Amino acid sequence: RKEVEQDPGPFNVPEGATVAFNCTYSNSASQSFFWYRQDCRKEPKLLMSVYSSGNEDGRFTAQLNRASQYISLLIRDSKLSDSATYLCVVNGAGNQFYFGTGTSLTVIP
Amino acid sequence: DAGVIQSPRHEVTEMGQEVTLRCKPISGHDYLFWYRQTMMRGLELLIYFNNNVPIDDSGMPEDRFSAKMPNASFSTLKIQPSEPRDSAVYFCASSFPPDQTQYFGPGTRLLVL
Repeated sequence: RKEVEQDPGPFNVPEGATVAFNCTYSNSASQSFFWYRQDCRKEPKLLMSVYSSGNEDGRFTAQLNRASQYISLLIRDSKLSDSATYLCVVNGAGNQFYFGTGTSLTVIP
Repeated sequence: DAGVIQSPRHEVTEMGQEVTLRCKPISGHDYLFWYRQTMMRGLELLIYFNNNVPIDDSGMPEDRFSAKMPNASFSTLKIQPSEPRDSAVYFCASSFPPDQTQYFGPGTRLLVL
């Protein structure tokens, strides 16, 4: 079983829509969770960390469900500039981090 | 700071040749990671260093791959001999605890013919 699993999509949504991605992880001892964003032919960049109590950054909301071992990312009022691949990241042993294969989002005018 | 620097940005080589990828982490960061990204397998951790010491190389595919970090500002990933299945984008990233954010370089796009 993979450490981190994501629905690859693609998700194609109209501008202004709300879209949500989920990601499941296998290691119940994981403590750190993140969402990264990767634009086409670019490097991944941190979008936001995911805290136990959930956290919000503008139009983006991240949540953690430890019981079911998944994290989610909600994007409200989608913009064209949100089009990218979103990578779920979970820590493992030591300082090792496992990346999901990514969920592709395209926001359509 | 210039961020993580990788070279070359693109590499095209023939099967059997040696390939050397280079990385300069962000100054002051004491963790350095090498990743490989393909469409099929996504982003895979190959090896990571802490204070120039390799901590976990379990992701290195086979003996053809080797990585070194001779000092805090430089690391190399070497493939010898290269094979077509090594074609991928290779990323280097660095971080500095307690901030666990990994800062990625622009990557090296490797094509082995």
